[in-house]
Amino acid sequence: GESVGLHLPTLSVQEGDNSIINCAYSNSASDYFIWYKQESGKGPQFIIDIRSNMDKRQGQRVTVLLNKTVKHLSLQIAATQPGDSAVYFCAENRYGQNFVFGPGTRLSVLP
Amino acid sequence: NAGVTQTPKFQVLKTGQSMTLQCAQDMNHNSMYWYRQDPGMGLRLIYYSASEGTTDKGEVPNGYNVSRLNKREFSLRLESAAPSQTSVYFCASSATGATGELFFGEGSRLTVL
Repeated sequence: GESVGLHLPTLSVQEGDNSIINCAYSNSASDYFIWYKQESGKGPQFIIDIRSNMDKRQGQRVTVLLNKTVKHLSLQIAATQPGDSAVYFCAENRYGQNFVFGPGTRLSVLP
Repeated sequence: NAGVTQTPKFQVLKTGQSMTLQCAQDMNHNSMYWYRQDPGMGLRLIYYSASEGTTDKGEVPNGYNVSRLNKREFSLRLESAAPSQTSVYFCASSATGATGELFFGEGSRLTVL
């Protein structure tokens, strides 16, 4: 089980509502960002990516926003569904370096 | 269409025992990685192999060794397991190295008593 004090932030949303998951990244030189989804007992899966020359990128039901001024990344999920329940985390990368992963946010979709 | 395959999925060890986690990818990727995931923490890089024949330390390499057996396979060895190595281990691969999307395996849950 989890160690005391090391709890993931949790976001609970009603089914059908929009979800916004936030991530603060650490390196102002990072130029590539990915959002991953991790379902219980599974490996992380790619959702969407964005490069630093963009502010916004849209996918199917998901949008990623990048604010380089404050080093902030967000993932918006439209019309959240039960299947969206998972841990979401962002990863940042600078060319030539390896990815650095955030701790993640647990999304719970309420019926 | 297997992607990244890890074995075993679960393992319980006693302190001091050794074991090897196996990873294979069938996507012809050049780069492979081993991460560990602990509660409330992000994935931390243990070792990586940018291409066949090379391996490098990541953020938390102590207590581990790796072998890039060929382009497909990348193994992680614990020579003398410690309770601090209790974790979920993920193997990943990437076509384009550090700047490309990572494809992950399903994970290997290791408990060291």
